[in-house]
Amino acid sequence: KQEVTQIPAALSVPEGENLVLNCSFTDSAIYNLQWFRQDPGKGLTSLLLIQSSQREQTSGRLNASLDKSSGRSTLYIAASQPGDSATYLCAVSGRGSNYKLTFGKGTLLTVNP
Amino acid sequence: DAGVIQSPRHEVTEMGQEVTLRCKPISGHDYLFWYRQTMMRGLELLIYFNNNVPIDDSGMPEDRFSAKMPNASFSTLKIQPSEPRDSAVYFCASSWVVGTGADTQYFGPGTRLTVL
Repeated sequence: KQEVTQIPAALSVPEGENLVLNCSFTDSAIYNLQWFRQDPGKGLTSLLLIQSSQREQTSGRLNASLDKSSGRSTLYIAASQPGDSATYLCAVSGRGSNYKLTFGKGTLLTVNP
Repeated sequence: DAGVIQSPRHEVTEMGQEVTLRCKPISGHDYLFWYRQTMMRGLELLIYFNNNVPIDDSGMPEDRFSAKMPNASFSTLKIQPSEPRDSAVYFCASSWVVGTGADTQYFGPGTRLTVL
């Protein structure tokens, strides 16, 4: 059974700092890995999707990497802003008939002005 | 498109009552997913449909839970009878494809259910 772990559970940083969120998964037979953002009282928004054959994806100040063999991914946020404050969730998808998204419990990020 | 629509946004009910949650997926999306989110267990997939047909319901916790998708634009998740431990946020999501490696899901705002 796939398990996804995110460390740390919570992180508080001053505005402008660069930061890294970590995600690990137990079964490397994945189709893709996604990073989502969840704001309080709202649904999830997909930020970045890395296919199993890819090593990284970038969008603006966000960069996500994937090391499938070691079961790890990182989300790097450059020059953090208060508007980045949210919960960030990592999810991996299974293959074929085992398709499903398995989520980590998330990292609650607070960026202080 | 308005995105995935869920109703109600908040539901408070008493133990033993029937609860029905509703979802309208994004038009053109062939896949619909129901998730439950709690502090203890995080976000868990309950069931998903492809072209209105349930594909995997292994996450449905017990027989008190049932889900239907009578047409491409509407799905319900029903809990009967409800119990306090069912209190959670229930999300609906939709996707036009799965299993390609490039698929992503679009989530609704969720229904916060409180069972007293």
